[in-house]
Amino acid sequence: DSGVTQTPKHLITATGQRVTLRCSPRSGDLSVYWYQQSLDQGLQFLIQYYNGEERAKGNILERFSAQQFPDLHSELNLSSLELGDSALYFCASSPTGRASGYYEQYFGPGTRLTVT
Amino acid sequence: LAKTTQPISMDSYEGQEVNITCSHNNIATNDYITWYQQFPSQGPRFIIQGYKTKVTNEVASLFIPADRKSSTLSLPRVSLSDTAVYYCLVGDRITGGGNKLTFGTGTQLKVEL
Repeated sequence: DSGVTQTPKHLITATGQRVTLRCSPRSGDLSVYWYQQSLDQGLQFLIQYYNGEERAKGNILERFSAQQFPDLHSELNLSSLELGDSALYFCASSPTGRASGYYEQYFGPGTRLTVT
Repeated sequence: LAKTTQPISMDSYEGQEVNITCSHNNIATNDYITWYQQFPSQGPRFIIQGYKTKVTNEVASLFIPADRKSSTLSLPRVSLSDTAVYYCLVGDRITGGGNKLTFGTGTQLKVEL
């Protein structure tokens, strides 16, 4: 158990819909990261928040957005869903957001999103 | 952007030592080398991290030569439960202080009896 929690575990929805995925980081961790893992794309970094502020952005679509709240939990919002958005979405946390070369992140169990 | 290259798959038997080598020719001066393990439908799990020479913890050893252009993850006496995908990563430093992990395709390790 990494200490990172994600809800829901599974989510099935239809194309065009909007969903929200939730992540609670490990106690004391200030950084939250979101990743998408699909069969054809592998594990892709989406976005990082550090203490409420966006810190790094990866291959995140404009239909996707995220935020980190004062209690440090984070939400990933996915809208206008398409079939290709079906994937495992992982949240990870780490104590630091500094670009210091220290890259130990703790991953949650993931949310499996199925778009039908 | 430091990229990594590692074998797509490896097979081994229980009790053997497994060495997975990763090349990262363009590693930056300040970058650490990090290895993660991932089981199907689970999030990656941090295994080990190092900067140079040798690092050892309770599950693995990491060997890094002086030029840091490659690294080798060593798993002693593997068991069936070590069957997983192993990712070698070097960090991408982002202007503004972000940390972005770039996962490659990883190495699928299969351990058999």
